[in-house]
Amino acid sequence: AQKITQTQPGMFVQEKEAVTLDCTYDTSDQSYGLFWYKQPSSGEMIFLIYQGSYDEQNATEGRYSLNFQKARKSANLVISASQLGDSAMYFCATRPMEYGNKLVFGAGTILRVKS
Amino acid sequence: AAGVIQSPRHLIKEKRETATLKCYPIPRHDTVYWYQQGPGQDPQFLISFYEKMQSDKGSIPDRFSAQQFSDYHSELNMSSLELGDSALYFCASSLGGGTSPLHFGNGTRLTVT
Repeated sequence: AQKITQTQPGMFVQEKEAVTLDCTYDTSDQSYGLFWYKQPSSGEMIFLIYQGSYDEQNATEGRYSLNFQKARKSANLVISASQLGDSAMYFCATRPMEYGNKLVFGAGTILRVKS
Repeated sequence: AAGVIQSPRHLIKEKRETATLKCYPIPRHDTVYWYQQGPGQDPQFLISFYEKMQSDKGSIPDRFSAQQFSDYHSELNMSSLELGDSALYFCASSLGGGTSPLHFGNGTRLTVT
């Protein structure tokens, strides 16, 4: 069963505007984490932000925030004040216990920031 | 802060040759992972090591093997290379269980001609 679903293959956003990248997940774990990674065209995989299932507050890291809705099993990434350097592939991921806690990725969303 | 170090960054090999990729995890991280990412795809899990013992195995071909050494660095060995092995290979490390992030190296881009 698909553990992470990212329904937006590609997104455009105007520079300085905010953008939301969608992520829904499927897990039977009671305790779990959700992760977002950024992969620029140069290829490296950069860890951005983490949300724990028991965290009461939505995670924030600088211009990145997570809109976590546990009942809907969604963990959308919000990027505020987009910059040209935000253009990249973004992956949502989780580490299901049934998969031995290895990281399982969604298909990714390509974000393009327009000037 | 120290990051995961991979070498080489780029590697070009011919079919049927062998390749060895190296990875130095973040100090004190207890688990090392190898992932393969084909063009336009999400990374796919190959193999992992917990405290130098193989802990899990994914869709890793029999032509590939990996190990983790006493100094915690890891190597992925690939033999009888095929055109389809051309991909970006990541090493990652983590500390703790399923709520800890994996930290990735910059990857090795392998091209098989």
